[in-house]
Amino acid sequence: GAVVSQHPSWVICKSGTSVKIECRSLDFQATTMFWYRQFPKQSLMLMATSNEGSKATYEQGVEKDKFLINHASLTLSTLTVTSAHPEDSSFYICSARSQASSYEQYFGPGTRLTVT
Amino acid sequence: AQSVSQHNHHVILSEAASLELGCNYSYGGTVNLFWYVQYPGQHLQLLLKYFSGDPLVKGIKGFEAEFIKSKFSFNLRKPSVQWSDTAEYFCAVNGGLGNTPLVFGKGTRLSVIA
Repeated sequence: GAVVSQHPSWVICKSGTSVKIECRSLDFQATTMFWYRQFPKQSLMLMATSNEGSKATYEQGVEKDKFLINHASLTLSTLTVTSAHPEDSSFYICSARSQASSYEQYFGPGTRLTVT
Repeated sequence: AQSVSQHNHHVILSEAASLELGCNYSYGGTVNLFWYVQYPGQHLQLLLKYFSGDPLVKGIKGFEAEFIKSKFSFNLRKPSVQWSDTAEYFCAVNGGLGNTPLVFGKGTRLSVIA
């Protein structure tokens, strides 16, 4: 089946620093990737949608200058949390949609970010 | 805009009890419907999906769901739950063409007790 990986699986950083999270589709080409955020015991909230080679489309209320998304290739998307603050601590999950199966999204294992 | 409602926040069942988790969606066109499960400390796994055809969909681990178009519902069922079914369950929907991102419900936490 289609596999999506994320790196790192967890990261702790100091307030004010930036953190980059990678999302890779391992065995398929992902024309579209999605970034979600999940707070403890809550649902997944869509942050942004990115298509390979294009600028990401951010959901209302998500700061594009704070959460930088790059989708440079059909197998890699990155989310950079800039100038992180404790309120950015969360579980970030990426998802990818393949060219072959446009209906289905495949999810990565998530990255837990803790900002101290 | 699409939205998904899951009525039950937390369900507690004894082993062997039957399960039904409610899911209603709001969307103006054709939809694709999904149920995902998230076991404690693990990532999302797809349980089942509906795109078209038979409205009764069978998934993994004995789960099934029924799409009732007139009720905008896609309830998840299992005849007999096990302790290992303890997890968070999410209903999700996207537009029929599949070119919109999945929108998730708030999730239902299922606790199965022995």
